[in-house]
Amino acid sequence: ETGVTQTPRHLVMGMTNKKSLKCEQHLGHNAMYWYKQSAKKPLELMFVYSLEERVENNSVPSRFSPECPNSSHLFLHLHTLQPEDSALYLCASSSTVTGSYGYTFGSGTRLTVV
Amino acid sequence: EDQVTQSPEALRLQEGESSSLNCSYTVSGLRGLFWYRQDPGKGPEFLFTLYSAGEEKEKERLKATLTKKESFLHITAPKPEDSATYLCAVHLPNSGGSNYKLTFGKGTLLTVNP
Repeated sequence: ETGVTQTPRHLVMGMTNKKSLKCEQHLGHNAMYWYKQSAKKPLELMFVYSLEERVENNSVPSRFSPECPNSSHLFLHLHTLQPEDSALYLCASSSTVTGSYGYTFGSGTRLTVV
Repeated sequence: EDQVTQSPEALRLQEGESSSLNCSYTVSGLRGLFWYRQDPGKGPEFLFTLYSAGEEKEKERLKATLTKKESFLHITAPKPEDSATYLCAVHLPNSGGSNYKLTFGKGTLLTVNP
């Protein structure tokens, strides 16, 4: 158990579906992140939340919609996705207070868009 | 232009054959360099943080070193269970809206044969 829990682990959805990815951390961290991991590419930062406020949105298409209701939970709402959105979606958290800036990652959600 | 470059992309070793992985970065004012290990279908697992040139960290068969422009992950007498993708990430100054964003390389896929 890494301290950051993501659900579901696997998701197959059609292009017209709406689904949500969930991330939960109980490490007392104050920043949470969504990253996309595709084959042969570096991890791509999608969104950053600090103290429940979105501080960065890396030009992500509007079909991805994040939500951070509190410092322990982060969601990624998905709608009308494209096949190229198939990837491993990783949630991470960190503490900006300690200054270490290292992330703790969840195990990811493997998303397949058909 | 890639800010973080890892080499080689893939490395095959025989059990017990020591080697090194490289991570180079093109910016100055590094705030921290991170090494992660990622197993297939899982999220990255934190290994080391390095902050200043000359710093070294060790964990079992792994040793990470840092210079002003690159970091090395030395693997001594590797075992098959060391097989994984090793990711390097840097915490850059002036990282846009969030001062705690990590920028990742593409990773090195290490395979250790028995």
